[in-house]
Amino acid sequence: LAKTTQPISMDSYEGQEVNITCSHNNIATNDYITWYQQFPSQGPRFIIQGYKTKVTNEVASLFIPADRKSSTLSLPRVSLSDTAVYYCLVSNRGTGGFKTIFGAGTRLFVKA
Amino acid sequence: DGGITQSPKYLFRKEGQNVTLSCEQNLNHDAMYWYRQDPGQGLRLIYYSQIVNDFQKGDIAEGYSVSREKKESFPLTVTSAQKNPTAFYLCASSIGGGPINSPLHFGNGTRLTVT
Repeated sequence: LAKTTQPISMDSYEGQEVNITCSHNNIATNDYITWYQQFPSQGPRFIIQGYKTKVTNEVASLFIPADRKSSTLSLPRVSLSDTAVYYCLVSNRGTGGFKTIFGAGTRLFVKA
Repeated sequence: DGGITQSPKYLFRKEGQNVTLSCEQNLNHDAMYWYRQDPGQGLRLIYYSQIVNDFQKGDIAEGYSVSREKKESFPLTVTSAQKNPTAFYLCASSIGGGPINSPLHFGNGTRLTVT
């Protein structure tokens, strides 16, 4: 199973672009990469999901290189309310059932 | 509004007692999941169910039990066999077949404290 590694924490300022990279060296062919955002004492919220190349939605972009051993979540022009923990998830249906691995998360702190 | 409801938000129990955490969803999702979160750690999968009357063990199922008698409900029982039950428990659902191409929708969790 692919294990993920993310930076423990990152600081940024309002209005800046933030890029959070997740390493998943052992990602399998049928694995997808999903990112979630979590505020204190709340459940995680889906941000974006991708398999390869680039995916963009109204809140973020996800960049996945050809070898898929890493992925980068890009948050454009962050605000104070983007202060949260961001999780990278690699998931697949392994033999015998569904498997999921959440990374330890990256704590993003946005300053004024 | 559709969503996942977990109750209660805070739960306190004495060691040696079983406790059941409630999870209800009105999203008409087939799959439901239970995760555990400890401070400074990511989420770990306890159990999941892809269809009514069927469920599978996740990565840390020991000391836990579940049932899936209705599509909307997936209660989790933390038994006295769970060595370290104090944690933040999160319930989630997805349209079907696991979160591949099917993002997880989470409830707001139950914080269980066992003393």
